[in-house]
Amino acid sequence: EIVMTQSPATLSVSPGERATLSCRASQSVSSNLAWYQRKPGQAPRLLIYGASTRATGIPARFSGSGSGTEFTLTISSLQSEDFAVYYCQQYNNWPLTFGGGTKVEIK
Amino acid sequence: QVQLQESGPGLVKPSGTLSLTCAVSGGSISNSNWWSWVRQPPGKGLEWIGEIYHSGDTNYNPSLKSRVTISVDKSKNQFSLKLNSVTAADTALYYCASRTAEFDYWGQGTLVTVSS
Repeated sequence: EIVMTQSPATLSVSPGERATLSCRASQSVSSNLAWYQRKPGQAPRLLIYGASTRATGIPARFSGSGSGTEFTLTISSLQSEDFAVYYCQQYNNWPLTFGGGTKVEIK
Repeated sequence: QVQLQESGPGLVKPSGTLSLTCAVSGGSISNSNWWSWVRQPPGKGLEWIGEIYHSGDTNYNPSLKSRVTISVDKSKNQFSLKLNSVTAADTALYYCASRTAEFDYWGQGTLVTVSS
């Protein structure tokens, strides 16, 4: 099983600032990596797939990078609606696995 | 746009069987998607349970494989999850989701509590 490790667990950021979230895979997942946003009471929302491709309707302030074992999600200028929990997930190998999440909170 | 809706009992007794159904609308379950179940225990992360293709092919998480069955009903455009021999550790928010590779669409989730 590929273990996905996200850091930090919590990120405190002021609105308008940049947020950088990290995700590390225990072995290479190539570019088969997605990022999701989850808000309380809502289903996860696909943000990024293929490590760097924004999903339909996702604002340009969200960007993904990386390949192999190291990945980054960057939110260039945090808006109020961006405070949420973010998960990475690999779909290179079964079983599909998720990271433990990074909570982005208001500083 | 595909929409998914979970349904099923919110309370299951220990050692019993958890049964959930996911209704698919806005698209056919016979398209080129895998139909998955994902859960999130309280205070924990997301765990993939398993998935099914319309052909009936399945993939399961080895950690749950001995207790899980996922099936598809093409006539009703829905798929189902059965998890047997449940314990309190199976208490979680259960989501159905669809994917081509990444998870494109998710249901709203349904909370299932295992308790006597």
